Parts: sequence; C-alpha cells; structure tokens
Amino acid sequence: DAGVIQSPRHEVTEMGQEVTLRCKPISGHDYLFWYRQTMMRGLELLIYFNNNVPIDDSGMPEDRFSAKMPNASFSTLKIQPSEPRDSAVYFCASSFGQGYNEQFFGPGTRLTVL
Amino acid sequence: SQQGEEDPQALSIQEGENATMNCSYKTSINNLQWYRQNSGRGLVHLILIRSNEREKHSGRLRVTLDTSKKSSSLLITASRAADTASYFCATGGSNDYKLSFGAGTTVTVRA
Repeated sequence: DAGVIQSPRHEVTEMGQEVTLRCKPISGHDYLFWYRQTMMRGLELLIYFNNNVPIDDSGMPEDRFSAKMPNASFSTLKIQPSEPRDSAVYFCASSFGQGYNEQFFGPGTRLTVL
Repeated sequence: SQQGEEDPQALSIQEGENATMNCSYKTSINNLQWYRQNSGRGLVHLILIRSNEREKHSGRLRVTLDTSKKSSSLLITASRAADTASYFCATGGSNDYKLSFGAGTTVTVRA
C-alpha cells in the first residue's frame, strides 16, 4: 500500500484565495483525521470522520474551514477565504477499526498564505 | 488544546547512549501513544500503551505509564543517528477516538 497520500505537498497562495487540500487514506481504513501543525500551537485535530461521516469538527477554527469525505478513498479540507494565520502544515491521517488504534499519517501539505 | 506535555523540550545525546523523555497529562485516559516525526515528514506511530498497562517494549523502545502520576516515559536504548527526530506523546480519552498531542521532544543524536 502507498500509505496516506496528500496533495499538494506545498501550496503558496495569497490572502483571500480559496485553498483545497486533498487526502487519500489507506484502503480499508474507516477513520480519517485532519490535523494542523504550527510552531505556536503544535499539532491540533481539526476534524475526524468515521465511515465518511464527520464525527467531531470542534477543532475547526472557524467557518472559513470546511471538510468533506464524499467516499471512502477521498477527503478534502477547504479554506475560503484564506488568511496568513492559516499558514501551517496540514496532515491527514487514517486508522482502522473501532477504538484507539495506530494512526497512519500522510506527508503533509505545507500551506503558506501571503 | 494540548493534553500531554513532554519534558525535556530538547535533548542532545551521543550515539550509543540512552535517551529518556517524559510526558505528563491532566485528565484520565484510555491509552497513550508515542509518535516520531522526522524533519519535514509526517508522524510515525511507535507504540501504544493502554491505561491498564504499566510497561511496554518494542525493539529498542521502552514505554512506562503511571496513571496515578498521570505520566509516561519513553526510553530509547543504544541510540543511533537515525533516531534524530521529534517525539510526541498523544493521549486518548474515554469518550471518543480523538488524540491530543503534546508539544514534543526534539532529540538529536550526535555521531
């Protein structure tokens, strides 16, 4: 298996633009997590899905952020409009099975908003 | 918000030495996990210890958990240059499957 795939790996955009980050989880995994990592705030959970259904989005910072999982093999995290303070590395992770299990992380998308 | 807090923030050791880092947390947990992150990469799972376990081993890694003190430690024995990375503890609560990550310990292993 190729592991969790994220695209793009790097994104540079200007303030006010829409940004879409993409994630393909490991085949067969039924949990998908979106995280954001910054020096100031560390690694924060934004939202997670179980069987394509959003379970907890309490970590989404504001309405400018939205996430979808239209099927088991694809998820998007959208920021509209983007702001400089959204600059961070965004990770997608997936895991399998009920309960706490190992989460497999993607390589991340480094977002820079100018 | 971060549940776990790692100590120390940074650690520099000679190859072959052992590295120990600690994690403290505030609320009751279901399990505690340790992850490694190499520079510019995603996190890699190292080990999971459940709240009813006290010690766990995996290769050169040894993890302890003391729920009475709300703390855990990760020991890496006979360190190698390839162990240079940031190490994070992550706690899982009882009511959901979310993990809360600490700020991490940056370990540098000198050749």
